[in-house]
Amino acid sequence: DVQLVESGGGLVQPGGSLRLSCAASGFNFSSSWMTWVRQAPGKGLQWVANIKEDGGVKNYVDSVKGRFTISRDNAMNSLYVQMSSLRVEDTAVYYCVKEGKWSFEQWGQGTLVTVSS
Amino acid sequence: QSALTQPPSASGSPGQSVAISCTGTSSDVGAYNYVSWYQQHPGRAPKLIIYGVNQRPSGVPDRFSGSKSGNTASLTVSGLQAEDEADYYCSSYAGINKWVFGGGTKLTVL
Repeated sequence: DVQLVESGGGLVQPGGSLRLSCAASGFNFSSSWMTWVRQAPGKGLQWVANIKEDGGVKNYVDSVKGRFTISRDNAMNSLYVQMSSLRVEDTAVYYCVKEGKWSFEQWGQGTLVTVSS
Repeated sequence: QSALTQPPSASGSPGQSVAISCTGTSSDVGAYNYVSWYQQHPGRAPKLIIYGVNQRPSGVPDRFSGSKSGNTASLTVSGLQAEDEADYYCSSYAGINKWVFGGGTKLTVL
């Protein structure tokens, strides 16, 4: 079975940094585009960033460009997002997602990031 | 990268059918047959229920169906059951490896 387990969430002050990790198993990680999607408390889903199988292509939503960096380690079957210059509006549950046939096929359970002073 | 437009709520009685709309633009929903739908129960991660406008992943009941006309996609849930009560989100490819979601629709089974 596909498993995606996020970690690294927590409380951080505005302007601070945080690195989220996602451990993947049960599928060929190195052959899959991977994505981060977030959901602010009580709000809808927002696509944040994705990364190609070999890490050679990375895309971001405009609101995080220059502040977030998505990366992956195919040898460790792991996905990451380095978040810096965090803002209160970045507060959300962050989901690690395996892309499928032009869709978001499998989701982790999410990790909560709270940006507050 | 504006969000797709969904009604905030929808409802129906057990056994009835309900349709949820998802309106985008000619740059996303209207441009690609890459609309997908997700079901999210409270406190749970979203689950893919429709991809490619009208394709169901293995294990998803055929009570769930999708369609698209122009810039608007729709999810229809037939034979409503209590467990269908959840939030539903649409998503569309928006070009240049970017994706956009709808604001979500809370489906209530009366």
